[in-house]
Amino acid sequence: RKEVEQDPGPFNVPEGATVAFNCTYSNSASQSFFWYRQDCRKEPKLLMSVYSSGNEDGRFTAQLNRASQYISLLIRDSKLSDSATYLCAVNMAGGYQKVTFGTGTKLQVIP
Amino acid sequence: EAGVTQFPSHSVIEKGQTVTLRCDPISGHDNLYWYRRVMGKEIKFLLHFVKESKQDESGMPNNRFLAERTGGTYSTLKVQPAELEDSGVYFCASSQVAGQSSYNEQFFGPGTRLTVL
Repeated sequence: RKEVEQDPGPFNVPEGATVAFNCTYSNSASQSFFWYRQDCRKEPKLLMSVYSSGNEDGRFTAQLNRASQYISLLIRDSKLSDSATYLCAVNMAGGYQKVTFGTGTKLQVIP
Repeated sequence: EAGVTQFPSHSVIEKGQTVTLRCDPISGHDNLYWYRRVMGKEIKFLLHFVKESKQDESGMPNNRFLAERTGGTYSTLKVQPAELEDSGVYFCASSQVAGQSSYNEQFFGPGTRLTVL
């Protein structure tokens, strides 16, 4: 089983739609969680850290479910510019250790 | 504030040659990481420096890869001799000094796309 798993998609959604991605992780001791956005042939850009209580940034909401070992990302009112690959990343050991990435979920927002 | 920078952006070399990649982290970031993405796979960790010390090199594929961070500023990753399977995108990331955040948000450079022919 992979340490971090995501549905690769693609998710094709119309503009204005709400879309949600899940990401599961295997290590129950994982400490911190992130969503990155990656555009084609570009570097991952940090979208949001995911806090235990959940957090929101504009149209984006991230949630953490430790009991079921998954994190989620909800995008409301999708824009064409949201089209990208969304990477889930998990810091297994805490502190300043490496993060482990999922393969990413591709989102295509359609006019 | 300048982000993480990497050089070169692309490198095409033949099998058996040597290539050196460079990463300049965000100023003041003690933590520097190297990651690699081969085609069709997820981004995988290679190693982690804290200042000039290697904290974790568990992801380094083999002894053809050598990373250095002399002086605790920029880092180099040398591949010698390069093999076909080394092709991929090499990302560098940095995060701020230890103790200032427990969340370790890592910021990535644009990557070096390495092609070994």
